[in-house]
Formats: sequence, structure tokens, C-alpha cells
Amino acid sequence: GQQVMQIPQYQHVQEGEDFTTYCNSSTTLSNIQWYKQRPGGHPVFLIQLVKSGEVKKQKRLTFQFGEAKKNSSLHITATQTTDVGTYFCAGRRTSYDKVIFGPGTSLSVIP
Amino acid sequence: EPEVTQTPSHQVTQMGQEVILRCVPISNHLYFYWYRQILGQKVEFLVSFYNNEISEKSEIFDDQFSVERPDGSNFTLKIRSTKLEDSAMYFCASSELTGGHTEAFFGQGTRLTVV
Repeated sequence: GQQVMQIPQYQHVQEGEDFTTYCNSSTTLSNIQWYKQRPGGHPVFLIQLVKSGEVKKQKRLTFQFGEAKKNSSLHITATQTTDVGTYFCAGRRTSYDKVIFGPGTSLSVIP
Repeated sequence: EPEVTQTPSHQVTQMGQEVILRCVPISNHLYFYWYRQILGQKVEFLVSFYNNEISEKSEIFDDQFSVERPDGSNFTLKIRSTKLEDSAMYFCASSELTGGHTEAFFGQGTRLTVV
């Protein structure tokens, strides 16, 4: 079945450093979504990417969808302590399919 | 802002007992999901529900699990005979069906502890 993988599993950075998490799917995706889960919280939707090669920015966050629509990345510039949490990518094979989550990258930011 | 609500926030139950987890999806959403997250692990898909029937389920969703939409607003997950390994956070989610709005909105979750 469809699998979504993410690396790294954990990342510890000093505040102000950049952070990147990478997501790979075993199958081509219709779209990919990114969620953030704060410790003790629930997944919160960040963004959806639909087009091949698409790049979207949200302030210090840059999201990219690969040309083959099988991989994606999230880059955070100049991390802050508020960025702490687990970042999940989640893919769909079709627009109406279930969302399959990657295992997540847990980000710690050292002040 | 509309949100998915789940009750209870925490449920403790004895092994072998039945539990029902409740969810109220966002009112104009048509697709409903249950996911679970064992502590420290990834979010795992259990089941999706559309048009009053299961549209897809994972291998985790065995005969011990069932879902129901008993009225126009609630969406429930029942575990018939709980096992210790059912202890997890259970998230309900809903989404619109239209192609441009397919993000899933998650509830706050129900922490199920089986003792």
C-alpha cells in the first residue's frame, strides 16, 4: 500500500538556525499537505500543495512539491521557540482519498 | 471559526469493556475520518466515512471497531472489547468534498487509556 516517509525523525536546532524536513511517497500523489502538532496537541493544517514543482511560502516557512509529485519539503528559516512541534506531511492519491500521514519530524529549538 | 469537537477528552476503561468515542464534525463537511496516534508515534488512519457508509478502512480497523453517524451531527467510533494496545489518542477529522478544500480539520482528540 501507499507509504509516506519522512526524514529526519528528530531535529534539534539552536534558535535562529534553519530547519528542513523531507517527505517521500511510494506513489504519486494528487496533493500533499503539511500539518504541525504541538506537544500534547492535535494536528493543525498548515498548507496544501497540488501542482508539480509548486513552492509556497508562509512567512518563514517554505513548502515545496517535487516535479514528480512524490516528494516534498518544508524549510523553516531562522527558527524560533514557537516552531517547536512535530511536522507531518500527509499525502493523498486522489482529491477524495484518505490522508496518509508520514511519521513526522520532531523539531526542538534550543533558545 | 468552525471546529471539530470530540468528547470525552480523556477516557479510562477496563480491558474488555466497550467504549464509544464521539465527534461532531464541521457542519458542512461530508467526509469524516478517524485516526489514532499511539504515544510518540505517527498518526495512523483507521477509517473514512462518506454518504453514511465506510469508504475505506485500514487493517487496524478490525471487527472490534465500528463507526456510526446516528444523527445529522454526531460521528462515533465504537470499540467493542478494548485491549491494552488500543490505548492511544483518537482523532476525528472532517473535510469538504470539493477538490479545492480537501484539507482535513482535526478535533482535539480523545485520549483512551485501557487498563
